[in-house]
Amino acid sequence: SQQGEEDPQALSIQEGENATMNCSYKTSINNLQWYRQNSGRGLVHLILIRSNEREKHSGRLRVTLDTSKKSSSLLITASRAADTASYFCATVPSGTYKYIFGTGTRLKVLA
Amino acid sequence: GAGVSQTPSNKVTEKGKYVELRCDPISGHTALYWYRQSLGQGPEFLIYFQGTGAADDSGLPNDRFFAVRPEGSVSTLKIQRTERGDSAVYLCASSPRQGNMGTEAFFGQGTRLTVV
Repeated sequence: SQQGEEDPQALSIQEGENATMNCSYKTSINNLQWYRQNSGRGLVHLILIRSNEREKHSGRLRVTLDTSKKSSSLLITASRAADTASYFCATVPSGTYKYIFGTGTRLKVLA
Repeated sequence: GAGVSQTPSNKVTEKGKYVELRCDPISGHTALYWYRQSLGQGPEFLIYFQGTGAADDSGLPNDRFFAVRPEGSVSTLKIQRTERGDSAVYLCASSPRQGNMGTEAFFGQGTRLTVV
């Protein structure tokens, strides 16, 4: 079963705009990660945020985590056509060692 | 190699046949994961190895699925009596430590299995 759900399922924006994706999950976690996937193949890790952190930045990426609401958001600023991909959040539920993925957001950035 | 390697990249098999999917993790990574991904869905957890042992196989859908990692490196996912519903991309990932220790997973490019 999948732990999380991403919202929206699909997002289409113009190059230069910001893209925001949200993730909700069900159980307490050790950490939450965001991954990117091109063309339905390998996933690439983007950023990790621990359960005791509230916000983290990496380049054009900003991730927030609200453990009381069991939710996270990923913001991509100044989007580029090359950012077109599917984005997934993954959690590691407390007491486990496995990554549980959400349903994903398909982002399309129009040039 | 530099990354996680999965072979074959594509596999077409007939219903009822047996298939093996191979994963070569990043050298030195002790944790290895198998996932299955259907079109339009997120990766679905199948099994996790820590070293040679399967620490969590709760995601294997039924007893037709089995995975091994005999020497703590290469892993093979085995599917017996394949069914059309087994068609999916099978992803392998490795990490230097267990996921709950705050480490990322490195994914291979996957094996696309098609059962006809």
